[in-house]
Amino acid sequence: GIQVEQSPPDLILQEGANSTLRCNFSDSVNNLQWFHQNPWGQLINLFYIPSGTKQNGRLSATTVATERYSLLYISSSQTTDSGVYFCAVERAGGTSYGKLTFGQGTILTVHP
Amino acid sequence: NAGVTQTPKFQVLKTGQSMTLQCAQDMNHEYMSWYRQDPGMGLRLIHYSVGAGITDQGEVPNGYNVSRSTTEDFPLRLLSAAPSQTSVYFCASRRLGVNEQFFGPGTRLTVL
Repeated sequence: GIQVEQSPPDLILQEGANSTLRCNFSDSVNNLQWFHQNPWGQLINLFYIPSGTKQNGRLSATTVATERYSLLYISSSQTTDSGVYFCAVERAGGTSYGKLTFGQGTILTVHP
Repeated sequence: NAGVTQTPKFQVLKTGQSMTLQCAQDMNHEYMSWYRQDPGMGLRLIHYSVGAGITDQGEVPNGYNVSRSTTEDFPLRLLSAAPSQTSVYFCASRRLGVNEQFFGPGTRLTVL
């Protein structure tokens, strides 16, 4: 199956700092999503971004599908950004329809 | 729209007991799926369905049964719970032809 690797595994920031999270994947994809899992366990959709660049407030994401990676940028981090960030992909091809493969996640801690 | 809803939020079972985790969505999404999340890991696909009457296995299906009698509901059954099934369970849905998936709030299950 498709492999998804996220880095770094852990990240500790001071409030106000910027950060970049990376997701590498091993095959062509037709779906890539970034999620934030908050301390209460909820999975929050951040971006649906199989290719290109999107921005939503302090967060932005870029996926370079031809080079099989995606980046999530967090600017001016806040304590509420703490949690686990997951990248999930759906491999291109009929047999993988709808099947998301998740990375191991990046644990982000933002200190005040 | 309520989106994807799951009940119960928390459940404790004894080994050998059976139970059903409920999942419902009101977005008329054809595709629904179940994932489990173990500590320190990303989510893994258990079962999925592309429409009423159609189900198939994911990555970790053993010990779980599903059925899909309506578009709205996709229950997950544990016939004889085992401690290895202690996990957080997430239900997800998507519309066919649209790749973005939406997740429910999760059910935290402990099997003693």
